[in-house]
Amino acid sequence: AQSVTQLDSQVPVFEEAPVELRCNYSSSVSVYLFWYVQYPNQGLQLLLKYLSGSTLVKGINGFEAEFNKSQTSFHLRKPSVHISDTAEYFCAVRRMDSSYKLIFGSGTRLLVRP
Amino acid sequence: GAGVSQSPSNKVTEKGKDVELRCDPISGHTALYWYRQRLGQGLEFLIYFQGNSAPDKSGLPSDRFSAERTGESVSTLTIQRTQQEDSAVYLCASSRGDGEETQYFGPGTRLLVL
Repeated sequence: AQSVTQLDSQVPVFEEAPVELRCNYSSSVSVYLFWYVQYPNQGLQLLLKYLSGSTLVKGINGFEAEFNKSQTSFHLRKPSVHISDTAEYFCAVRRMDSSYKLIFGSGTRLLVRP
Repeated sequence: GAGVSQSPSNKVTEKGKDVELRCDPISGHTALYWYRQRLGQGLEFLIYFQGNSAPDKSGLPSDRFSAERTGESVSTLTIQRTQQEDSAVYLCASSRGDGEETQYFGPGTRLLVL
């Protein structure tokens, strides 16, 4: 079985500061990794995904994430956040075999303050 | 369509009543998923449809939950004899189903059982 842990339920940060949202996963098989963002009263939007290749993945809105297989982590980073980045961020994994279910972490609320 | 749509956006019902939630996937997407998001938690997988194959119902929490899909289009999630613990946001997602891994989410239906 797979599981995803997002240790930080909420991360407050000042505007223009850097931020890192942590994600660790557990799986006995290889997985694909995803970060989704959920803005208030909206559905989930894909930020970025790691399928294969370079372990540093760049996504939309200036976000990037690095896959670290040895540490089973997929932390999300942004060098300078904006007020508009305030949202809930979800890390998710999916098995590389025929399974299709996304297994989500509990989410991290990023709160950007002026 | 341009994206996944869901209706209604909000539903308030009384305990014991039945509810139907609708999902319209992106045109051409053969795979469709239902997830549930309880307050402050990540998403839980409920059910998956892929083309004409038998659906994977392994995530449905009880026999009060059922879902149908007409061909490769609209899906309906039905909850019978609703309970207060069914209160959640129900999210639908679709994907191409050809190995492309991205699931695109709708805005969700917020269900409140009184």
